[in-house]
Amino acid sequence: GESVGLHLPTLSVQEGDNSIINCAYSNSASDYFIWYKQESGKGPQFIIDIRSNMDKRQGQRVTVLLNKTVKHLSLQIAATQPGDSAVYFCAENPPSNMLTFGGGTRLMVKP
Amino acid sequence: DVKVTQSSRYLVKRTGEKVFLECVQDMDHENMFWYRQDPGLGLRLIYFSYDVKMKEKGDIPEGYSVSREKKERFSLILESASTNQTSMYLCASRSGQSSYEQYFGPGTRLTVT
Repeated sequence: GESVGLHLPTLSVQEGDNSIINCAYSNSASDYFIWYKQESGKGPQFIIDIRSNMDKRQGQRVTVLLNKTVKHLSLQIAATQPGDSAVYFCAENPPSNMLTFGGGTRLMVKP
Repeated sequence: DVKVTQSSRYLVKRTGEKVFLECVQDMDHENMFWYRQDPGLGLRLIYFSYDVKMKEKGDIPEGYSVSREKKERFSLILESASTNQTSMYLCASRSGQSSYEQYFGPGTRLTVT
């Protein structure tokens, strides 16, 4: 079946640096993408989304980039803080309208 | 804010027991979902429901059933729990009206011994 994958299972960054988390999606007809953050012991929380008619969207300290040519999604976190430590995963919305989730990347922020 | 609650954060059951996991959302959402989350496998859809009394199988429905008698409540049932059903179970809801974002509950970590 269709799948969404992540290149790096664990990313370790220094506090204050920028983080980039990558995601490869598989369905070229997907029209919507979401990044979720999941802290230890909690359910996933929405961070930012982007529609397929855009290639960039910015939020507060976060930016999502979409490259439809290579079916790649990335999440950039500026000035990474200890509170950003979590598992991040992407999701795509294919024509079935059932979100398909990636496996997740663990972000570890070193003080 | 949307709130999705799950009846238990941690649950330990014995093999063969019948297990009920309850999920309640307070935003009048039409769609509700049950996932299980396992290391390295991500979120896998067990069952979903578009509306009251409606249910559809997801990717891994075997060994599970669901019930949606009221719009706000979606229950996941393990008829006879097995050790391979030890997992984190996540419930989510979605408005269902041109909205793709799903709102998740805190999860129930189920251990079957």
